[in-house]
Amino acid sequence: NAGVMQNPRHLVRRRGQEARLRCSPMKGHSHVYWYRQLPEEGLKFMVYLQKENIIDESGMPKERFSAEFPKEGPSILRIQQVVRGDSAAYFCASSERPGYSSETQYFGPGTRLLVL
Amino acid sequence: AQTVTQSQPEMSVQEAETVTLSCTYDTSESDYYLFWYKQPPSRQMILVIRQEAYKQQNATENRFSVNFQKAAKSFSLKISDSQLGDAAMYFCAYRTYTGNQFYFGTGTSLTVIP
Repeated sequence: NAGVMQNPRHLVRRRGQEARLRCSPMKGHSHVYWYRQLPEEGLKFMVYLQKENIIDESGMPKERFSAEFPKEGPSILRIQQVVRGDSAAYFCASSERPGYSSETQYFGPGTRLLVL
Repeated sequence: AQTVTQSQPEMSVQEAETVTLSCTYDTSESDYYLFWYKQPPSRQMILVIRQEAYKQQNATENRFSVNFQKAAKSFSLKISDSQLGDAAMYFCAYRTYTGNQFYFGTGTSLTVIP
């Protein structure tokens, strides 16, 4: 059973460009979460999606950031007009049944975004 | 609001010895879950151990065990017989019973000395 897959693993963008980060959840999982880890910090929740629905985006910056999880294909985290402060590791996690008593989120390897 | 605090930015342990990493949290909930994740240099987040708040018995996974003190809102991780491969960043995390997101501490960097 393949784990959570993220690509690219490393992404370099210049200020003002767009960054697209992809996440394929574990097989059988239909719930995806995105987290951001700034240098020397813990992971911070950004958004939670189910197929074709955004359930909780309370951690998403109000501008330039968007996320989707289409019926077919991976979840995409999109950052428009990147700035240097967007440089971070972006982790995707997936779960099978959120809220279920024994639910655990499984993390992907992350995408390291560097904005020049 | 839920907060998770790891007061030890760095810890070190001799190989084969035991080390305890501290974690405290703040919540008004009575049912929740606590986790320890390991992040080695590869930066992959790996689940180490999980504890349900309603269980009094401390969770154990091989060389890893926790000391869960619900009243004190404390959740420490004990690593026995430390191995070189245990060197990593360790994050404590909290999730409400029906919540969608994890709340992470700032991490403890563990060094294992040969």
